[in-house]
Amino acid sequence: GAGVSQTPSNKVTEKGKYVELRCDPISGHTALYWYRQSLGQGPEFLIYFQGTGAADDSGLPNDRFFAVRPEGSVSTLKIQRTERGDSAVYLCASSISRRDTQYFGPGTRLTVL
Amino acid sequence: AQSVTQLDSQVPVFEEAPVELRCNYSSSVSVYLFWYVQYPNQGLQLLLKYLSGSTLVESINGFEAEFNKSQTSFHLRKPSVHISDTAEYFCAVRYNQAGTALIFGKGTTLSVSS
Repeated sequence: GAGVSQTPSNKVTEKGKYVELRCDPISGHTALYWYRQSLGQGPEFLIYFQGTGAADDSGLPNDRFFAVRPEGSVSTLKIQRTERGDSAVYLCASSISRRDTQYFGPGTRLTVL
Repeated sequence: AQSVTQLDSQVPVFEEAPVELRCNYSSSVSVYLFWYVQYPNQGLQLLLKYLSGSTLVESINGFEAEFNKSQTSFHLRKPSVHISDTAEYFCAVRYNQAGTALIFGKGTTLSVSS
C-alpha cells in the first residue's frame, strides 16, 4: 500500500517568508508525527497528533512553528518568518495508534536563504 | 535528560566482514527500541525493533540487535555485510512513560567497500 507522502520534496525560500509543508499519512493511521533533521543529526521530535488534536507539541522550537490536522488525516506544518536556522529536512511519520511503529515519509528539504 | 548515544559516527568495513553499530540510551526505565536505516537519497525505513519478549531481535536482511537492560544498550550487528548495506543507521528509543515521541541518536554511517 501507499506509504507516507510529503510535499514538496524541496522548498527554497527567503528569510522572513512563510512556508507550509504537507504530510499525507498512511490511510487509517490515527497518530501523526513531525520531526526535524538538521545536517549531521538524528531526527528531533516536533509535534504529535492523535486524530485532529495536537496531543504533544513540546518539541516545537518557538511560536513561529505551528501545525494542524483538521480532518484527522493530512497535516500541514506552518513556519512563519522563516530564519536560516530553520533549514533542515522535515520528516513526517504515522502509526496505527500511538504505541505502534512509526513509518516515515521521504521528508521535505527546506532551505532558507 | 533522556538521550540516545551512537558511539561511532562512521564505520568503514570491507565486504563480508562482520560489523557492530553501537547504541546506548540514558535510562533503564521501560523502553521500546528501534533501528532505522536511511539508504542514500531515500527516507527512513524501520530495520528492526524491540518491544518486549526475547531480547534478541532480527531483521529480514541478516541484521540483529540485542536489548541489554543492565548496560542500557541495543547494539546492531551483522556477521557479514554487503555493499548494499551502505547507509546511515539510526538508533531510536521511546520512553514509555514520557509520551510517544522517538528520541534518535545522531546516526552511524556504515560504508562497505570491496
